Amino acid sequence: QVQLVESGGGVVQPGGSLRLSCAASGFSLTTYGMHWVRLAPGKGLEWVAFIHYNGDDKYVADSVKGRFTISRDTSQNTLYLQVNSLRLEDTAMYFCAKDDSVGTYQLQSWGQGTLVTVSS
Amino acid sequence: QSALTQPASVSGSPGQSITISCTGTSSDVGGYDYVSWYRLRPGKAPKLVIYDVAKRSSETSARFSGSKSGTTASLTISGLQAEDEADYYCCSFAGTATGWVFGGGTKLTV
Repeated sequence: QVQLVESGGGVVQPGGSLRLSCAASGFSLTTYGMHWVRLAPGKGLEWVAFIHYNGDDKYVADSVKGRFTISRDTSQNTLYLQVNSLRLEDTAMYFCAKDDSVGTYQLQSWGQGTLVTVSS
Repeated sequence: QSALTQPASVSGSPGQSITISCTGTSSDVGGYDYVSWYRLRPGKAPKLVIYDVAKRSSETSARFSGSKSGTTASLTISGLQAEDEADYYCCSFAGTATGWVFGGGTKLTV
C-alpha cells in the first residue's frame, strides 16, 4: 500500500538550511505528482511546492520562492525539499503528499510529517 | 492571511447537519472545479474527504457532500457523529503560476 515517510526536520537557527526527505513506497514517483504542505503552530495548512510526475514541471509558493527547492531521486523513490535561508515563520510540520493520477488536483495520500523549528 | 476564507469554527449536535463555507476568487475556487476538502486531527496526517468539488474519497462516508456556487465552495456533513470532530480545510487549484491555495481551516465541534 501507499506509504510516505518524512524525515530531516530539526531545530535550526535563522538563516540556516535543511534538506527534508519523503521516502515513498507502494508506488513510483515517476507516475504521480508530489506536494509539500506545511502546518505552522496555531495556523492553517499552507501549500509549499509541487513536482509533476515527469520531474520537469515544478511549482513553488511565492512565500518560499527563491529559498525552497523541490526535487526527487527516482532511483531512491524519494522526494526532497531543500529549505534555505530559514526564517522564524518557517517553523512548521512539513508533510509530503501524492496526487491521485495524472490530471488530478487533489492531495490523495499524506505522510505523518517532519517538524522544522527555526529558533535562535 | 489565507487565500481562501473559512469560518473559524462551527458546531452541531449529534445527528444534526452542518455546512462549512470556503470563499475564494475567480482565480481559484471560481475558476476551476478542483476544490478539495481535508480533515485534520491532532497528531494525525491530513485525510482527503472530498475532491473535484463534490466527489467523495473512497474512504469517505456518504454523510459528507460538497458543492460550489460561484466563488464559494461548501462542505456539508449530515447526521453528525462525535468522530467527525476535527479541523477541516478547503483547498483549490489556482493555476500554474500560483499552484494550490488552502483555506484557514474550520474547527468542527460536535
